[in-house]
Amino acid sequence: QLQLQESGPGQVKPSETLSLTCTVSGGSIRGSSFYWGWIRQTPGKGLEWIGSFYYSGSTFYNASLESRVTISVDTSKNQFSLKLSPVTAADTAVYYCARHSYKAALFDYWGQGTLVTVSS
Amino acid sequence: QSVLTQPPSASGTPGQRVTISCSGSSSNIGSKTVNWYQQLPRTAPKLLMYSNNQRPSGVPDRFSGSKSGTSASLAISGLQSEDEADYYCAAWDDSLNGPVFGTGTKVTVL
Repeated sequence: QLQLQESGPGQVKPSETLSLTCTVSGGSIRGSSFYWGWIRQTPGKGLEWIGSFYYSGSTFYNASLESRVTISVDTSKNQFSLKLSPVTAADTAVYYCARHSYKAALFDYWGQGTLVTVSS
Repeated sequence: QSVLTQPPSASGTPGQRVTISCSGSSSNIGSKTVNWYQQLPRTAPKLLMYSNNQRPSGVPDRFSGSKSGTSASLAISGLQSEDEADYYCAAWDDSLNGPVFGTGTKVTVL
């Protein structure tokens, strides 16, 4: 059974960098025909896609966040990461990693999510 | 920043039928398939319906989905207490080149 698990600091200071890692178990990122992405959910609000990648190197981002986001992958560790910089209080959210199909909003496996609070 | 519009809330008594709408545009629902997610309190969203009307294994058949033009709907027949959750629609958007989600609907079982 495929499992995804987010990890990283639960609090980040304004203007600094939010860094999260998603560890995939029960399956491999390399050679998969799926895309892997990050989604966030602000308190009391809806879901917002941040960006996704394909293991071969193709990466694409939400245009509203693109200037601040970097997604990278470490296939040797079966992990992928999210960096968002600089952050503001508006970036306080639960961050999820998930797997999805190409050109489809079909997210079939999700991590449990991790709350990141931006505060000094 | 949600591109797809849903009613904020819906409710019904046990056994009733509840329908949730999802309105989009030609660049998303109008040209792509719609998926639905159920989010129980304090948990990650779970895929509830894909490709407009297909249920993943384990999803009860009282959940059904449909799409027409630039709108989609999720229906829950025989509402049960465990169906109390937030529901989100989602679709790929060709103009934005990424997935977009609905504003979410909170279903309450009275």
